Amino acid sequence: DGGITQSPKYLFRKEGQNVTLSCEQNLNHDAMYWYRQDPGQGLRLIYYSQIVNDFQKGDIAEGYSVSREKKESFPLTVTSAQKNPTAFYLCASSRQGGDSAAFFGQGTRLTVV
Amino acid sequence: AQTVTQSQPEMSVQEAETVTLSCTYDTSESDYYLFWYKQPPSRQMILVIRQEAYKQQNATENRFSVNFQKAAKSFSLKISDSQLGDAAMYFCAYPLMNRDDKIIFGKGTRLHILP
Repeated sequence: DGGITQSPKYLFRKEGQNVTLSCEQNLNHDAMYWYRQDPGQGLRLIYYSQIVNDFQKGDIAEGYSVSREKKESFPLTVTSAQKNPTAFYLCASSRQGGDSAAFFGQGTRLTVV
Repeated sequence: AQTVTQSQPEMSVQEAETVTLSCTYDTSESDYYLFWYKQPPSRQMILVIRQEAYKQQNATENRFSVNFQKAAKSFSLKISDSQLGDAAMYFCAYPLMNRDDKIIFGKGTRLHILP
């Protein structure tokens, strides 16, 4: 079955450590996105990519990095520069063009301990 | 700047009744699409319904329908015969159809279903 998979579901990080969240899709979608969700904040865009080897900063990119070496994969690294990383992270993908709905992964809950 | 506004942070409705969630947006584009997503307690985002702006007819999916008013830039979601499983966060979304090609979400409306 086609879909988008995020792993792990829960992740704990010590302060000062970098951590990478995985996002893989087999929907043959060109566009992929990372969102952060905090209570009362809705979805805030971190990074997005429309094509392999290219990506753009979203509204809250500071402290995060991404790569897009393969069409299927769009990992997000939360660096030690991110001052408040505890949040729920959602990855999504879609066909290019605004007529395509986004498909979402199950999300990763990141907690800094 | 393109924005999506959901003015109702929370709403409640009695089971089997009808409820309408509001969404307004701002765009300079003439052809675009609008979406409503549902996020239940599992936090999995699920597409509920989509509307194509060039279509006059309001989209319908079973108990879910939209009231799309293009001139007013309004895109409300109506849920008929509300069920306990409809309890969730609902997000209105608008994908930019330009070189940015990103999706903008509203802040969401939390819907409670009262038994």
